[in-house]
Amino acid sequence: KNEVEQSPQNLTAQEGEFITINCSYSVGISALHWLQQHPGGGIVSLFMLSSGKKKHGRLIATINIQEKHSSLHITASHPRDSAVYICAVRRDSNYQLIWGAGTKLIIKP
Amino acid sequence: DTAVSQTPKYLVTQMGNDKSIKCEQNLGHDTMYWYKQDSKKFLKIMFSYNNKELIINETVPNRFSPKSPDKAHLNLHINSLELGDSAVYFCASSQDSGTGLLGYTFGSGTRLTVV
Repeated sequence: KNEVEQSPQNLTAQEGEFITINCSYSVGISALHWLQQHPGGGIVSLFMLSSGKKKHGRLIATINIQEKHSSLHITASHPRDSAVYICAVRRDSNYQLIWGAGTKLIIKP
Repeated sequence: DTAVSQTPKYLVTQMGNDKSIKCEQNLGHDTMYWYKQDSKKFLKIMFSYNNKELIINETVPNRFSPKSPDKAHLNLHINSLELGDSAVYFCASSQDSGTGLLGYTFGSGTRLTVV
């Protein structure tokens, strides 16, 4: 079992829908990252969380340390949001960053 | 201006060759990384340098050798390329001592194909 699990693996939705991507982890962490990988391959860091909630535009990320779970929400989704969204956690015992397998999101117009 | 730039973007080469991938960041970050993204899209760290000093060296073949001439550059040299080296390699940087607690900036990736 992977130490970082994302769900769903694939998600297709219509433009305008509210999107939720989940990330669960099984190790102690010092931080959790959400990243976006564009179809062309480039990776963009979206959020880094150690507690609570962060918002940037239409993106919202939350983390529950006790439950070892984080969610990434996209409001009013748009086709340009189509990408792979990756969750990664930093193990609190060392510098190791553990990556989820990603969630492929497709937003149809 | 690109914050983290990698060159080349695409590299096709024959088995047994030696090749280098270059990475430069103009963010003034202290730490740079090399990641390998495999066919299942997992990102695996290979190396990390903080102020030109190696701080992470995961289990990678000795054929892979990073070189950091200054803190703005981290190049990856690969000797005797093998088919299994085919992957996308990402360079990244962060403004911290390697904890990543201040977030990462990634390069656009180098797709290496060994034939």
